[in-house]
Amino acid sequence: EPEVTQTPSHQVTQMGQEVILRCVPISNHLYFYWYRQILGQKVEFLVSFYNNEISEKSEIFDDQFSVERPDGSNFTLKIRSTKLEDSAMYFCASSRTGGRAEAFFGQGTRLTVV
Amino acid sequence: GQNIDQPTEMTATEGAIVQINCTYQTSGFNGLFWYQQHAGEAPTFLSYNVLDGLEEKGRFSSFLSRSKGYSYLLLKELQMKDSASYLCAVRGEDGANNLFFGTGTRLTVIP
Repeated sequence: EPEVTQTPSHQVTQMGQEVILRCVPISNHLYFYWYRQILGQKVEFLVSFYNNEISEKSEIFDDQFSVERPDGSNFTLKIRSTKLEDSAMYFCASSRTGGRAEAFFGQGTRLTVV
Repeated sequence: GQNIDQPTEMTATEGAIVQINCTYQTSGFNGLFWYQQHAGEAPTFLSYNVLDGLEEKGRFSSFLSRSKGYSYLLLKELQMKDSASYLCAVRGEDGANNLFFGTGTRLTVIP
């Protein structure tokens, strides 16, 4: 069964460092998303991406965040200068279309900023 | 703003039926999803409602009333493996595809 894959599964970084989280969405999917979940809190939307551009973003997704689809398979989230409060589980998701199509989530990258 | 409310925790007995409620107030409505999330794992899709009424899928059913801003997830013949968090998520405005999640309901199934 096709699945969304994310790497790494865990990342520890020092405050102020840049991190890149990587995702390979399901191959015939057209919409890609990043969500995050701070420990014990709800899943929060960060950004959606369609047709090689950002289609929606939340207020969390400020200038320190960026997304890129560098080739036909990868979808990355970059955090330029990490802060302690960026520590969370980051989920990548993809859906075949918009509308009623469900989003399939990857297993997540647990980011710890120290 | 977007406001999605669910009970924080529920406990039910193996073999029983449990109903998990979700109420929402969002700027626009374009469908409601239920996801299951085991601790430390990714959310996995359970059901989708966009029209009023009941959608049944095996042991799981989901109901929606758009006029009341209300949904529930019904789990029948509970099994121990159903112990997980159940997330209610709303797709808001027309043309938008992002989901707004509730805080999730942690269900514990006991023998």
